[in-house]
Amino acid sequence: QQPVQSPQAVILREGEDAVINCSSSKALYSVHWYRQKHGEAPVFLMILLKGGEQKGHEKISASFNEKKQQSSLYLTASQLSYSGTYFCGTFTGNQFYFGTGTSLTVIP
Amino acid sequence: NAGVMQNPRHLVRRRGQEARLRCSPMKGHSHVYWYRQLPEEGLKFMVYLQKENIIDESGMPKERFSAEFPKEGPSILRIQQVVRGDSAAYFCASSRTDTLTLAKNIQYFGAGTRLSVL
Repeated sequence: QQPVQSPQAVILREGEDAVINCSSSKALYSVHWYRQKHGEAPVFLMILLKGGEQKGHEKISASFNEKKQQSSLYLTASQLSYSGTYFCGTFTGNQFYFGTGTSLTVIP
Repeated sequence: NAGVMQNPRHLVRRRGQEARLRCSPMKGHSHVYWYRQLPEEGLKFMVYLQKENIIDESGMPKERFSAEFPKEGPSILRIQQVVRGDSAAYFCASSRTDTLTLAKNIQYFGAGTRLSVL
């Protein structure tokens, strides 16, 4: 029931773009995206509630394809501060399942 | 507005001792979730509580682990007779209650408690 993310890890140079994918074998009613830096708490990025919904904040945006049970997170013109592990997540019943995670490293 | 507060930040216990982890949710939040994170792994759901009620504890081991969220005071995750395999980071999150469906609940996380069992 845990969403699967791809890629597992990615290394970018500052200014490059990245896409992180999240797929679920179960129906998705919402998708939540979090970023966690090493040794810190996960920080909420955004939530998508409807199929076809797209959201964005500055240079980070996401889309949600309800039919395909997938969501993608887009990072454009990456900055050093974007480094961390990105998790998607979703509720199934009363339980919240985090995805398998994607480690993103941005280098100068 | 203070965020989710967890204490202690670090806790060291010897095998067989008890560990008590505390979580004070954000003001106005009455939903609390506990997660466990092993080193280099993702977060695993343990339990979901509302004030004075355990809603779902299916992610929590049936033995030695318990959780509560009393009417007054913080939520407590209690681990009895700790073993080395309990060493992990334990995160608490809270959310508001004004959404009609759980799927819309945005969770805000505390800084976590790092438990080390010697």
